[in-house]
Amino acid sequence: IAGITQAPTSQILAAGRRMTLRCTQDMRHNAMYWYRQDLGLGLRLIHYSNTAGTTGKGEVPDGYSVSRANTDDFPLTLASAVPSQTSVYFCASSVSGGAGYGYTFGSGTRLTVV
Amino acid sequence: GIQVEQSPPDLILQEGANSTLRCNFSDSVNNLQWFHQNPWGQLINLFYIPSGTKQNGRLSATTVATERYSLLYISSSQTTDSGVYFCAVVNTGGFKTIFGAGTRLFVKA
Repeated sequence: IAGITQAPTSQILAAGRRMTLRCTQDMRHNAMYWYRQDLGLGLRLIHYSNTAGTTGKGEVPDGYSVSRANTDDFPLTLASAVPSQTSVYFCASSVSGGAGYGYTFGSGTRLTVV
Repeated sequence: GIQVEQSPPDLILQEGANSTLRCNFSDSVNNLQWFHQNPWGQLINLFYIPSGTKQNGRLSATTVATERYSLLYISSSQTTDSGVYFCAVVNTGGFKTIFGAGTRLFVKA
């Protein structure tokens, strides 16, 4: 079934540890995104990628990095996790960025930093 | 940056009732989407509607871009409609999609 796969589904992580959240899509979408969802704050864009080889910063990029080595994969890395990064992380994709196309979301990764 | 406001923040309906959810945005947009997040957390794209009107079953949406708002109509609500409804926009000339805070809907049986 075409869509977005995120892994892991959930994770408890010690503060200071490094963690990579994985996101893979099989729809050949050019644009991909990472959002975090926190109670009362809705979804906030962390980083995005218009196409393979390019990335950009969203609303809340600090403490996170991304790479886009190919069309399908868009991993999100927390270099040194802090408790404020406890959140639910969603990966999304669209045919292209900006106007013209709707998003498809993954099922999310629930991350708890202790 | 562009501001997105959704109303009401919370809504409780009796099954079978109709409702209207509103999304106001502070700047011109060239992309507007409505999403439903079900109680299990899954985000489903309902409509891509930067302007005009669309219908899908019991749901319909209208965006009046010149007046900077969009409406989501839910008719004959069902308990499975419960969840959070998000409006998300991209301002004209921009790339980043910004989400509103959502409307939390609970439909009682």
